[in-house]
Amino acid sequence: DGGITQSPKYLFRKEGQNVTLSCEQNLNHDAMYWYRQDPGQGLRLIYYSQIVNDFQKGDIAEGYSVSREKKESFPLTVTSAQKNPTAFYLCASSLQGDTGELFFGEGSRLTVL
Amino acid sequence: QKEVEQNSGPLSVPEGAIASLNCTYSDRGSQSFFWYRQYSGKSPELIMSIYSNGDKEDGRFTAQLNKASQYVSLLIRDSQPSDSATYLCAHTGTASKLTFGTGTRLQVTL
Repeated sequence: DGGITQSPKYLFRKEGQNVTLSCEQNLNHDAMYWYRQDPGQGLRLIYYSQIVNDFQKGDIAEGYSVSREKKESFPLTVTSAQKNPTAFYLCASSLQGDTGELFFGEGSRLTVL
Repeated sequence: QKEVEQNSGPLSVPEGAIASLNCTYSDRGSQSFFWYRQYSGKSPELIMSIYSNGDKEDGRFTAQLNKASQYVSLLIRDSQPSDSATYLCAHTGTASKLTFGTGTRLQVTL
């Protein structure tokens, strides 16, 4: 079955540690996205990529980094520079960029201890 | 003014009734509008897209778009307890950026 796989689903991290969240899709979609969701808030865009080896900052990119070396994969690193990293992280993909029809993974819940 | 505004709810409707969810937006250049459903603790799922003024029906769901008044709504007929979720409104504005509202929580009571 086609879909988006995020791992891990739950992650605990100590302050000062970098963590990497995995996102893999087998939908053959060109565009991939990372969103962050906090309680009572909408989804906020961290980074997006419309093509391999290219990505752009979203609204809240500070403290995060990404790579897009393969079409299927778009990992997100939460660095120690991110001051408030505890959140629900959602990876999504779309057939092409500039569309609002996104398919989401199941999400990764990061808690900083 | 927020780009996308939704009443956070909860909106409570009895089983079998029509649930009406509303969303207003500020960008007059917005072209495309979307409704996502998100169950508690889960990821969002696209349920409706609407691109032109008027109504679009899909099963028990109807999306309504009025660009002149800058609002989009979602009607759910014959509401079921399984419809209880948070409904996120989203649109792509003039910069082709997808912007989400904070969502309306719907509770369908027995």
